Amino acid sequence: DQQVKQNSPSLSVQEGRISILNCDYTNSMFDYFLWYKKYPAEGPTFLISISSIKDKNEDGRFTVFLNKSAKHLSLHIVPSQPGDSAVYFCAASAESSGDKLTFGTGTRLAVRP
Amino acid sequence: NAGVTQTPKFQVLKTGQSMTLQCAQDMNHNSMYWYRQDPGMGLRLIYYSASEGTTDKGEVPNGYNVSRLNKREFSLRLESAAPSQTSVYFCASRGVLRGNQPQHFGDGTRLSIL
Repeated sequence: DQQVKQNSPSLSVQEGRISILNCDYTNSMFDYFLWYKKYPAEGPTFLISISSIKDKNEDGRFTVFLNKSAKHLSLHIVPSQPGDSAVYFCAASAESSGDKLTFGTGTRLAVRP
Repeated sequence: NAGVTQTPKFQVLKTGQSMTLQCAQDMNHNSMYWYRQDPGMGLRLIYYSASEGTTDKGEVPNGYNVSRLNKREFSLRLESAAPSQTSVYFCASRGVLRGNQPQHFGDGTRLSIL
């Protein structure tokens, strides 16, 4: 039972355009959501997060949107840059379960120059 | 640089051999975690330690043991390695016992078991 799903294994976007990465979850107890970025041969790097009390969080070119009723979140990158090419993981946690993270399977983003 | 350090970076084992993966963090974090990542899958939690002196099972604990040696160090042991344990292993740490803080990851140990 996969509680966090990233249904798009890959995404290709032109440099300067918007990248939209999507994530769905099934566990209604999740109250904290994160996006991690991962380059080959490196560990995941924290990118941005959002608490369930908010529906949007912005940090520079990165914005995360949370739709609790649809159990859906998305990461917007504007404008996309070639250095953004990486695998992006969505993750979620619930305070009731000790803040352990449950990860999605990742989306590989390729930004074309 | 401050962060999470994992050793070794690469290792090849034969089936049945034992191995300890080391992890240390210098951020004075309370919680530490061990994950494995397999192709086409997200990171799956093996064991975690919410604070010094405590450890708990995660999603896939079978075949592994852990030790929280002190606040800085959290090791993962394979007592009798099996080919199914071929994976990339990541250690992570987090600063507070409760509350919304991200986990910070090391660069991983790539383990192959023949």
